Amino acid sequence: RKEVEQDPGPFNVPEGATVAFNCTYSNSASQSFFWYRQDCRKEPKLLMSVYSSGNEDGRFTAQLNRASQYISLLIRDSKLSDSATYLCVYQDPGTYKYIFGTGTRLKVLA
Amino acid sequence: GAGVSQSPSNKVTEKGKDVELRCDPISGHTALYWYRQSLGQGLEFLIYFQGNSAPDKSGLPSDRFSAERTGGSVSTLTIQRTQQEDSAVYLCASSLTGTNNEQFFGPGTRLTVL
Repeated sequence: RKEVEQDPGPFNVPEGATVAFNCTYSNSASQSFFWYRQDCRKEPKLLMSVYSSGNEDGRFTAQLNRASQYISLLIRDSKLSDSATYLCVYQDPGTYKYIFGTGTRLKVLA
Repeated sequence: GAGVSQSPSNKVTEKGKDVELRCDPISGHTALYWYRQSLGQGLEFLIYFQGNSAPDKSGLPSDRFSAERTGGSVSTLTIQRTQQEDSAVYLCASSLTGTNNEQFFGPGTRLTVL
């Protein structure tokens, strides 16, 4: 099983739609999870951290499901500017190594 | 304030040559990471520094790759005897500490080995 697995997409959605991505991870001891956003030919940037209780930032909501070992990202009211690749990341417990998924590509269409 | 900077932004080299990539992290950040990203792929972890020490070198693809960090600041990634499969974008990131912190990425160095 890969350390982090994501559906590569692309997810093509119309403006205003709600879209959700999941990401599964293999290490049940993992404690720190993140979603990063990467625009084409740009560096990744932190979108949000994922807390055990879940967290919300405007149109974005992240959830952690420890029992099933996945994290999710929900984007409401999609904007054209949300078009990007979304990277799921966790920090390997006991080391400082961050494990990145290969990303899910989102295209928001006008 | 200044973010993470990397140089050069682009490097084209011939197979068999050595290259040196540089990363300037955000001032005060103790943790520094090197990653490699091939076209259309995810980020591949290469090496991590805490201060000047590299507790985890497990991601270096071969002994042609080495990295150092001096003064707890600037880091260089050196690739000796480059091969075509080394062509990728090399990304550097820094974070305040090594644990559960946001990583700030530099713009990357695009390496092309002919």
